[in-house]
Amino acid sequence: DTAVSQTPKYLVTQMGNDKSIKCEQNLGHDTMYWYKQDSKKFLKIMFSYNNKELIINETVPNRFSPKSPDKAHLNLHINSLELGDSAVYFCASSRETGGSGGYTFGSGTRLTVV
Amino acid sequence: GNSVTQMEGPVTLSEEAFLTINCTYTATGYPSLFWYVQYPGEGLQLLLKATKADDKGSNKGFEATYRKETTSFHLEKGSVQVSDSAVYFCALIHRVGNQFYFGTGTSLTVIP
Repeated sequence: DTAVSQTPKYLVTQMGNDKSIKCEQNLGHDTMYWYKQDSKKFLKIMFSYNNKELIINETVPNRFSPKSPDKAHLNLHINSLELGDSAVYFCASSRETGGSGGYTFGSGTRLTVV
Repeated sequence: GNSVTQMEGPVTLSEEAFLTINCTYTATGYPSLFWYVQYPGEGLQLLLKATKADDKGSNKGFEATYRKETTSFHLEKGSVQVSDSAVYFCALIHRVGNQFYFGTGTSLTVIP
């Protein structure tokens, strides 16, 4: 069983569209994260949720809205997609806030905006 | 603030060569330190970690020692294989602020 699963793996869409990326973890972890990896492999945290509550909200456009229906799911909705949103988005989870034991990452969603 | 600096890539080595990827950090207090590996087309996987000074993390022939005096956590492997070709990320987690800080990643290519 995949520990942290994201769907879709690839997403190609036009500018201006609205899209969602889903993430689920079956590890029983309390905290989930969204990271954005740009073309130079730089990883930047976007959001962190602990038990459905938002705990980290970095400076990202408000077109990005995370939603956590329960502690095993953290979805990312993006409105009015722009070319600069093209990147790989990684979901991750950790047993506790801060992830001192390490994160478990999903395999990523490659978003291409055309 | 907290930050991680790792050596610029890309790094290209021949099979069985010795590998060092440098990583230094800036943090107050005592962060936990990690190396993650990203194989082509995949997500990041935890490679090894160390949670306190002088701890040595090791896995799959890779090692890194938490050096508080030099604020470093350099990754080493005695003999690399083609299958080690990947991007390697150094990272720290600081309990105050509860956030991971990743380095910029170092791409390693091992040629036969």
